[in-house]
Amino acid sequence: GAVVSQHPSWVICKSGTSVKIECRSLDFQATTMFWYRQFPKQSLMLMATSNEGSKATYEQGVEKDKFLINHASLTLSTLTVTSAHPEDSSFYICSAKHSYSNQPQHFGDGTRLSIL
Amino acid sequence: AQKITQTQPGMFVQEKEAVTLDCTYDTSDPSYGLFWYKQPSSGEMIFLIYQGSYDQQNATEGRYSLNFQKARKSANLVISASQLGDSAMYFCAMREAVSYNTDKLIFGTGTRLQVFP
Repeated sequence: GAVVSQHPSWVICKSGTSVKIECRSLDFQATTMFWYRQFPKQSLMLMATSNEGSKATYEQGVEKDKFLINHASLTLSTLTVTSAHPEDSSFYICSAKHSYSNQPQHFGDGTRLSIL
Repeated sequence: AQKITQTQPGMFVQEKEAVTLDCTYDTSDPSYGLFWYKQPSSGEMIFLIYQGSYDQQNATEGRYSLNFQKARKSANLVISASQLGDSAMYFCAMREAVSYNTDKLIFGTGTRLQVFP
């Protein structure tokens, strides 16, 4: 089945640090990748949608300059949390899919980000 | 706007029994897709089953089946012969078209299922 790899799994860093999270589709070409944020015991909140080679589309309320998304190839998207603060601590999870179709989104294993 | 509702915050089921997790949706789009995902405590999201709005039959995948009642706008997940490893959060989601070549998922609030021996 489709495999999406997300790295790193855990990040603990100091306030003010920028953190990059990678999302790779290992065995298929992902025309679209998604980035979600999940608070404890809550549902997934879509942050942004990115299509390969174009700018990401951010959901309302998500700061573009805070959460930089790059989708440079059909197999890789990155999320950079710039100048992270404790309130950015959360579980971030990416997903990828082939194209606009009935194909499901396949998710990475997520990244637990803790800002001290 | 599209909406997904899961009214059961938590469910308990005994091992080997069947359990139904409820999901209702609201959309004005005649073409839509419904998904169920499982999220264990480790955090990954595991795709379970898909139902298209035009599918004539209810979707089944092993021990998972989807009780799709279009007129009632419900897409309940049925897990048969529950196993201890089924304990997890379960999310219902609906595909929403964003543009001609992009769509996104709208997630429900989830149901936490606990299977006991």
